[in-house]
Amino acid sequence: EDKVVQSPLSLVVHEGDTVTLNCSYEVTNFRSLLWYKQEKKAPTFLFMLTSSGIEKKSGRLSSILDKKELFSILNITATQTGDSAIYLCAVVNNNAGNMLTFGGGTRLMVKP
Amino acid sequence: DTGVSQDPRHKITKRGQNVTFRCDPISEHNRLYWYRQTLGQGPEFLTYFQNEAQLEKSRLLSDRFSAERPKGSFSTLEIQRTEQGDSAMYLCASSITGRGNTIYFGEGSWLTVV
Repeated sequence: EDKVVQSPLSLVVHEGDTVTLNCSYEVTNFRSLLWYKQEKKAPTFLFMLTSSGIEKKSGRLSSILDKKELFSILNITATQTGDSAIYLCAVVNNNAGNMLTFGGGTRLMVKP
Repeated sequence: DTGVSQDPRHKITKRGQNVTFRCDPISEHNRLYWYRQTLGQGPEFLTYFQNEAQLEKSRLLSDRFSAERPKGSFSTLEIQRTEQGDSAMYLCASSITGRGNTIYFGEGSWLTVV
C-alpha cells in the first residue's frame, strides 16, 4: 500500500525565518508528487513534481524531488504570517487512476 | 468561478439519518474524486470516476457509503444511516487526463453527526 510520511508534524517560526518541510514516500508505481497548502478549507495546489533534481519555484516557495531516496522537500523563505497553514504532500500512483495518497501534513505557524 | 463546487458546505444531521453531498467538477474535467478528511489528518481517498464509470470503490469506508456520477458530469456521495464517526469534511476533486493530471479540490462539505 502506498504511504506518505511528513515531518515535522508541526513547526512554529517567526516572520522572516526560512523553513524546510519534508516528505518521504513509498509508492508502487510513481507518477508524481504534489504539494498542497490547506488553510481552513480545501487544499490548494502548490507544486507537482515528476522528475528528480529539478526545482520548482513560485515566489518564496520552492520544492524539489529525489526519486532515488524517495523524498521531497518544500522550502519557504522569508516566511510571513499568511504562510501559516497545513502543508500536505501527496503521491500519485500511475496504476490507480491518479489516486492521491496524502501524508498527515505539517502544521506551520508563523508568528509576527 | 469555474472551480470545483460542492454543496452543501455544512451539514448537521442526527445519527441514523441519510445525507447526500453533491459535487460539480471543473467543466472539462473527466475524472472526479471523493476524499474524506478528519481533523489532524490528510485527506483519505474514497472513490473516483472517469466520466460516468466508477473505477475504484474498494476504499469506500463501508456499504453505507455510495457514490454516483450518472451523466459523467456532477457526482453525489451518499452516506446512509449516519454514525458519529462519519463526522468529517468530504472533499471532491477533479482532473483531466493528459493535462499534467493536476488535481483540484473543492471547498469541501463539512458533516457533523449528532
